[in-house]
Amino acid sequence: GAVVSQHPSRVICKSGTSVKIECRSLDFQATTMFWYRQFPKKSLMLMATSNEGSKATYEQGVEKDKFLINHASLTLSTLTVTSAHPEDSSFYICSARVTGLAGDSEQFFGPGTRLTVL
Amino acid sequence: LAKTTQPISMDSYEGQEVNITCSHNNIATNDYITWYQQFPSQGPRFIIQGYKTKVTNEVASLFIPADRKSSTLSLPRVSLSDTAVYYCLVGPSYNQGGKLIFGQGTELSVKP
Repeated sequence: GAVVSQHPSRVICKSGTSVKIECRSLDFQATTMFWYRQFPKKSLMLMATSNEGSKATYEQGVEKDKFLINHASLTLSTLTVTSAHPEDSSFYICSARVTGLAGDSEQFFGPGTRLTVL
Repeated sequence: LAKTTQPISMDSYEGQEVNITCSHNNIATNDYITWYQQFPSQGPRFIIQGYKTKVTNEVASLFIPADRKSSTLSLPRVSLSDTAVYYCLVGPSYNQGGKLIFGQGTELSVKP
């Protein structure tokens, strides 16, 4: 399957700072990427859909000013957690959608980024 | 999207067959059933998808009864490396690329 990478794999920051997480599709172009967060022992929660060249679509209850998403190219989407607080500590996972010539598509997940806010 | 219900956890031993059942009573006519596997601190990985009856691949089998209100993921002869969380999703076909809504998942623990 296609490869999706995330950087950094883990980050520790102080409360009040902003953290940027990158999601890259390494061997394919992705017009759509998705961002999830996952708390310990919990399921993945979809945060937003990131579309290349347009604004992201956020799920209900997700603060768009808190979680800034930019999808400036077909291989890169970034999630910036602004003014991070300890409750933002979580595992953030992205996925990228690849569309085949026949119009079908698949989603491939990145390895995740562990954010710890002190 | 149809809601799913799975056991929270299951225990097994190496070499056994493991069957994880998922209930999805309000599955829609166009919905598919898709299973993902997630290891700790990793992103989920697609395992198998089906619409009805039985689907088998090199990793698992998926059994879906005629009413489609439930499905069973079957893992043959599990090993320690199959210890993971398994998610059952119901919605558009995997290859339609719609957004995925994950339920609680089943934490499978394989013991020696």
